[in-house]
Amino acid sequence: DAGVTQSPTHLIKTRGQQVTLRCSPKSGHDTVSWYQQALGQGPQFIFQYYEEEERQRGNFPDRFSGHQFPNYSSELNVNALLLGDSALYLCASSLGHVETQYFGPGTRLLVL
Amino acid sequence: AQTVTQSQPEMSVQEAETVTLSCTYDTSESDYYLFWYKQPPSRQMILVIRQEAYKQQNATENRFSVNFQKAAKSFSLKISDSQLGDAAMYFCAYRRGNTPLVFGKGTRLSVIA
Repeated sequence: DAGVTQSPTHLIKTRGQQVTLRCSPKSGHDTVSWYQQALGQGPQFIFQYYEEEERQRGNFPDRFSGHQFPNYSSELNVNALLLGDSALYLCASSLGHVETQYFGPGTRLLVL
Repeated sequence: AQTVTQSQPEMSVQEAETVTLSCTYDTSESDYYLFWYKQPPSRQMILVIRQEAYKQQNATENRFSVNFQKAAKSFSLKISDSQLGDAAMYFCAYRRGNTPLVFGKGTRLSVIA
């Protein structure tokens, strides 16, 4: 039973660039949530996708956008990267938006 | 807004001993869920245990158990017979209904051989 997978594992970008992170949910799951985890902090909710629509959004600017595909996989896009966007980006999947979330290994983004 | 507080930034325990990690939360709701997640150096957030607020019985998963005190809004994690592989960051998290998880800042647990 495949768990949540994310790609790439690491990424280095420069300020002003754009980045796309990818997530495949656990088999049987249809909901994907994205979190940003700054160094030494707990994860902060970015947004959640269910039935290919953004259902909830945390306190993140419009530079953060996403998409969910018919196979339930998801992308997180960040435009106009800032140094402060450097963080671990975690994807979590669940069956429906009320069930327990299971996390992927994360993508470490470094913005120089 | 709901908040989750973990007052112990770091804890250590001898191998085979027992350790308790503390968590308190603030909510005006009566129906919610609480979680403990483990994040080893590999970074993957792993679910350790889950507690439904409407259940009075404390959840248990093998060597991991919780002490859920609803009135005190306290949710501590007890790890028995600690093993080297238990060394990790531990995050307490709260969720109500379909709202997103709210995490504490974490407790770093070291296990001493």
